[in-house]
Amino acid sequence: EVQLAESGGGLVQPGGSLRVSCSASGSALSSFAMFWVRQAPGKGLEYVAAISNDGRSTYYADPVKGRFTISRDNSENTLYLQMTSLRPDDTAMYYCVRSMGAIMTVWDFWGQGTLVTVSS
Amino acid sequence: QTVVTQEPSLTVSPGGTVTLTCASSTGIVTSGFYPNWFQQRPGQAPRTLIYSTKNKHSWTPARFSGSVLGDKAALTLSGAQPEDEADYYCLLYYGGVWVFGGGTKLTVL
Repeated sequence: EVQLAESGGGLVQPGGSLRVSCSASGSALSSFAMFWVRQAPGKGLEYVAAISNDGRSTYYADPVKGRFTISRDNSENTLYLQMTSLRPDDTAMYYCVRSMGAIMTVWDFWGQGTLVTVSS
Repeated sequence: QTVVTQEPSLTVSPGGTVTLTCASSTGIVTSGFYPNWFQQRPGQAPRTLIYSTKNKHSWTPARFSGSVLGDKAALTLSGAQPEDEADYYCLLYYGGVWVFGGGTKLTVL
């Protein structure tokens, strides 16, 4: 059974930084692309960032471009999202999602999420 | 900015059939947008039901099916159960950009 577990969320002040992680069990992440998706309280899902299986290709949604960095350590079976210059509208549950396929279009397993709150 | 549109809410009777749709502001949705569909029950993380228009994962109940209907992607639920009451989201692929629909709140009543 594949399980993804996010961690590292918490309360951070506007302008601050935070790194969230996603660790996998039951699956070697090195064979899969990975995504971060967020959900603001009471709102819908929003794509945040994606990374290819080897980490060479990364993609970002416009609202986070230049502020967030997605990375991975396949030797540790872990995905990261480094968030800087955080704003109140970045407040959300952050989910990691596994994906298959050459163009990263087959989504399968989701984690349970980690909550990031940006507030003074 | 690309917008993906879903019905905000739908209601289905237990045992009934309902179709949720997913439209793109860029025009016709085809299989080349590789539609994915997700279910999110209250208080839970999302889970993937359908990928690449019509393909099911091993955990996807047989009563769910995906297709392209006219100019939209579609998720059809045949034989609705009380546990199908949830939010449903579609996801479309635009060549290195992925866009979620706003979600459909499905009530089974």
